[in-house]
Amino acid sequence: AQSVAQPEDQVNVAEGNPLTVKCTYSVSGNPYLFWYVQYPNRGLQFLLKYITGDNLVKGSYGFEAEFNKSQTSFHLKKPSALVSDSALYFCAVRDVETGANNLFFGTGTRLTVIP
Amino acid sequence: KAGVTQTPRYLIKTRGQQVTLSCSPISGHRSVSWYQQTPGQGLQFLFEYFSETQRNKGNFPGRFSGRQFSNSRSEMNVSTLELGDSALYLCASSPGPQENYEQYFGPGTRLTVT
Repeated sequence: AQSVAQPEDQVNVAEGNPLTVKCTYSVSGNPYLFWYVQYPNRGLQFLLKYITGDNLVKGSYGFEAEFNKSQTSFHLKKPSALVSDSALYFCAVRDVETGANNLFFGTGTRLTVIP
Repeated sequence: KAGVTQTPRYLIKTRGQQVTLSCSPISGHRSVSWYQQTPGQGLQFLFEYFSETQRNKGNFPGRFSGRQFSNSRSEMNVSTLELGDSALYLCASSPGPQENYEQYFGPGTRLTVT
């Protein structure tokens, strides 16, 4: 069965500092991994995905993620945090075992960027 | 392109009633998925539709149902509402069901059951 884990419920970082939001995954085949962000009273916004290829994936709003197969991780990163980055971040993996299209989401990590 | 739209944005219903939520995907997108988001259970997959056919269904009771129309618009229905159905219901669309496509989410419908 596929699953993702986000070990940190809350991450605090000072504005201008680099940020990392952690995600580990468990899949039986090739991983299809995604990061989404949710602002209050909004739906989820797509940030980036890893399907295949380079382990460093670049996405929207200056975010990037590093795929590490040996550590089964897909951590989200940004070199310099902005206050506007404060939001709820979700890591997700696609259910490819059954050929379905649905996403399995982690429990989310609340990022707070302190001015 | 316009994003995924969901109507209504907010609903208050009473236990035992039924409710229908609507989702219009991004133009050209033919795959629509529904998710339930609650503080306790997080984001959980409900079902997925493509070409008016349900391709997959999550682990929810039969009170939860859905359909997709020929224009790719989708509806989900919850009958005999329970307090535990209070949640944010999110619709997502993608061009097709292929696994490399990302899903684009609507703003959600906030359902409150009293």
